[in-house]
Amino acid sequence: QQQVKQSPQSLIVQKGGISIINCAYENTAFDYFPWYQQFPGKGPALLIAIRPDVSEKKEGRFTISFNKSAKQFSLHIMDSQPGDSATYFCAASGISNTGKLIFGQGTTLQVKP
Amino acid sequence: SAVISQKPSRDICQRGTSLTIQCQVDSQVTMMFWYRQQPGQSLTLIATANQGSEATYESGFVIDKFPISRPNLTFSTLTVSNMSPEDSSIYLCSVVTNTEAFFGQGTRLTVV
Repeated sequence: QQQVKQSPQSLIVQKGGISIINCAYENTAFDYFPWYQQFPGKGPALLIAIRPDVSEKKEGRFTISFNKSAKQFSLHIMDSQPGDSATYFCAASGISNTGKLIFGQGTTLQVKP
Repeated sequence: SAVISQKPSRDICQRGTSLTIQCQVDSQVTMMFWYRQQPGQSLTLIATANQGSEATYESGFVIDKFPISRPNLTFSTLTVSNMSPEDSSIYLCSVVTNTEAFFGQGTRLTVV
């Protein structure tokens, strides 16, 4: 019940295309859903996060879509660029402790020029 | 956001020895978190460190193996004790500010 399942494991997208990564969770107590971007040799960088009171959040080319009833959320990267090539992690945590994150398995994104 | 500095950034250690990793934050935070990222894997929470109290460990992690100190509101250390090659991982410090969770650059540990 504590798991966060992420798919796909890897993704190849052409420059200018849309990258979509999906996550699903079981624990209904989760109420904070961030996405992290990690480049090789670096720590995860917070990209965008959402809470269940909204169904969508957009920041620049990055959008989170959230479906509370289905217990799913997804990251959309519009106009994908080669510089977006990285590993992306979704995560979830409960209201009582945002820092105790349960991470998905990660998605390696490659954006081809 | 928060600026989180970890030292060392990487190290190669002999099996059986111990390594202490330092985490410094540029602002006072109530809780600090330590994660492990095994090669090619996702992140797993090791423990939560509160100032002035014992750290709280997640299932599968014990204080004897991963002792943690939290002497003040901006600093914490994680020690990886009696290391074996299976401890080769990236160890990451994390804090929450303004309800968002941020990570340091990590310490890449290789045990030989």
